[in-house]
Amino acid sequence: AQSVTQLGSHVSVSEGALVLLRCNYSSSVPPYLFWYVQYPNQGLQLLLKYTSAATLVKGINGFEAEFKKSETSFHLTKPSAHMSDAAEYFCAVITYSSGGYNKLIFGAGTRLAVHP
Amino acid sequence: KAGVTQTPRYLIKTRGQQVTLSCSPISGHRSVSWYQQTPGQGLQFLFEYFSETQRNKGNFPGRFSGRQFSNSRSEMNVSTLELGDSALYLCASSLKSSGGGAAYNEQFFGPGTRLTVL
Repeated sequence: AQSVTQLGSHVSVSEGALVLLRCNYSSSVPPYLFWYVQYPNQGLQLLLKYTSAATLVKGINGFEAEFKKSETSFHLTKPSAHMSDAAEYFCAVITYSSGGYNKLIFGAGTRLAVHP
Repeated sequence: KAGVTQTPRYLIKTRGQQVTLSCSPISGHRSVSWYQQTPGQGLQFLFEYFSETQRNKGNFPGRFSGRQFSNSRSEMNVSTLELGDSALYLCASSLKSSGGGAAYNEQFFGPGTRLTVL
């Protein structure tokens, strides 16, 4: 069964500092992996996705993530944090079944705080 | 193109009541999935509908049910509400069902319906 684990429920950075949000996955088959962001009182917005093409994936708002099979990781990074990046971030994997891809399995989430 | 809309945005009910939530997918999208988000359990998959048929179901009791109409709009119903049903219910639409070996179709999420059970 596929699963994802996000390390750190809260991360705090200063404006302009590097953002690093950690996600490790477990999957017996090549995974499709995703990062979503959720702002207060809003739904989920897709930041980026890994679908077995390039291992370094670039997303919106300057975020990127690198798929590392040897480490079973898919960490999210951004070189310089902005105040508007404060939100909750979710790593997710899509599960497989005999009928094809099924549903998104989410990590517990990491709340990012950005300080001036 | 309008995004996924969910109504109502906020709802307050009492234990034992039932509730119906509505989701209108992006125009042209035929698949609708529902997720429950709570502080304790996080984001959990409820079910997916495609062409008016439930394709997948999560691990929730039978009190949780849903349906999809011919125009792809979907409703979910929770009967005999419990305090633990208080949550943000998110709906997501995609072009077609992700089943059948097809390539993954991105899911677009609505803003959610926040249900409070007193």
